[in-house]
Amino acid sequence: AQTVTQSQPEMSVQEAETVTLSCTYDTSENNYYLFWYKQPPSRQMILVIRQEAYKQQNATENRFSVNFQKAAKSFSLKISDSQLGDTAMYFCAFMRTNTGNQFYFGTGTSLTVIP
Amino acid sequence: KAGVTQTPRYLIKTRGQQVTLSCSPISGHRSVSWYQQTPGQGLQFLFEYFSETQRNKGNFPGRFSGRQFSNSRSEMNVSTLELGDSALYLCASSLARVETQYFGPGTRLLVL
Repeated sequence: AQTVTQSQPEMSVQEAETVTLSCTYDTSENNYYLFWYKQPPSRQMILVIRQEAYKQQNATENRFSVNFQKAAKSFSLKISDSQLGDTAMYFCAFMRTNTGNQFYFGTGTSLTVIP
Repeated sequence: KAGVTQTPRYLIKTRGQQVTLSCSPISGHRSVSWYQQTPGQGLQFLFEYFSETQRNKGNFPGRFSGRQFSNSRSEMNVSTLELGDSALYLCASSLARVETQYFGPGTRLLVL
């Protein structure tokens, strides 16, 4: 079974600072995808960033980047120049490539950006 | 392009009733997945439909069922509602299998 662990239930960061959210996962698969989604308060879940396990290069999307360590099964999200709009619940998600669109989600990290 | 839409957005039902939730995927997307989100259990996978066929099923009782139509729209049905079924039900669509999923706003179900 696949498990995804987010060990930081809550975090806060000052506006314009950098914050890193942690995620670890457990799988025996070699091919898979990893995602970070954000869910702002009372708003829908949106994709932040995606990483294919076969790619060694870490994914980057503007202020968002990941540190993907396949051997350690670690997938952390770094948010640079934090903005008030980054306040949200962040979920790490794992998807196997051989079973279709089924996400295994972590329990989430609630991030608050302080002005 | 319009995003994933879900109807209704809010529902209040009583125990023992049944409910049907609807999801319209992004145009061109053929895969629709359903998730249940609760404070206690987090986000849990219910099932996935692709080209009108259920491809994956999570660990939920048979009271939870779904279907997908030829236009890729999907419905989820919960029969004999229990208090524990109160949750936010999220639908997600993707272009193909094993692809990024795009989520709808969810249907918040309250069972009294």
